[in-house]
Amino acid sequence: DTAVSQTPKYLVTQMGNDKSIKCEQNLGHDTMYWYKQDSKKFLKIMFSYNNKELIINETVPNRFSPKSPDKAHLNLHINSLELGDSAVYFCASSQGGQGYGYTFGSGTRLTVV
Amino acid sequence: QKEVEQDPGPLSVPEGAIVSLNCTYSNSAFQYFMWYRQYSRKGPELLMYTYSSGNKEDGRFTAQVDKSSKYISLFIRDSQPSDSATYLCAMSLNTGGFKTIFGAGTRLFVKA
Repeated sequence: DTAVSQTPKYLVTQMGNDKSIKCEQNLGHDTMYWYKQDSKKFLKIMFSYNNKELIINETVPNRFSPKSPDKAHLNLHINSLELGDSAVYFCASSQGGQGYGYTFGSGTRLTVV
Repeated sequence: QKEVEQDPGPLSVPEGAIVSLNCTYSNSAFQYFMWYRQYSRKGPELLMYTYSSGNKEDGRFTAQVDKSSKYISLFIRDSQPSDSATYLCAMSLNTGGFKTIFGAGTRLFVKA
């Protein structure tokens, strides 16, 4: 009974393709996030949604577009994939935004070839 | 200068050792301080959190926050091979933050 589930776990695709990653949480949390973890394990926030409203939009290329159809779901669509997009993308959720109750998904490992 | 600095290691210790992991930060507005543990190919999991300054203990783990020095620590007593993981410090603002800043993570190996 996974709390935060992401699909797919692995994604290998060619440059220029468009792909989506889906995230769902069953914790009843009101805030969801997308984080990117690079090869050096550095976790950087990309987006944050609170009650379906976009709260944080860091300096992320326009090719990345999040969508939150409801509080329990946050998807990430990436257009025109580039080699530099290769990373592990983590979805997380929390109640409120203070960061002390984040629950992370197991990650989506994206490889662009 | 990054907002949160953490030595990436790796740190290798024998089983049973006391481990000390540390982070420094530059933003004095941070109020919530967290430690996450991340096993290989898994998502980070919250280990401990502290609000403002002080110490917090949970079993073999102790978290310390020194706001005057902008320095936080995590101590692991009687370390076990199962503690081998990457430990990420994290911190966020008091209100309306919705953004947690993570350190780069310290990779820990505990040898049996």
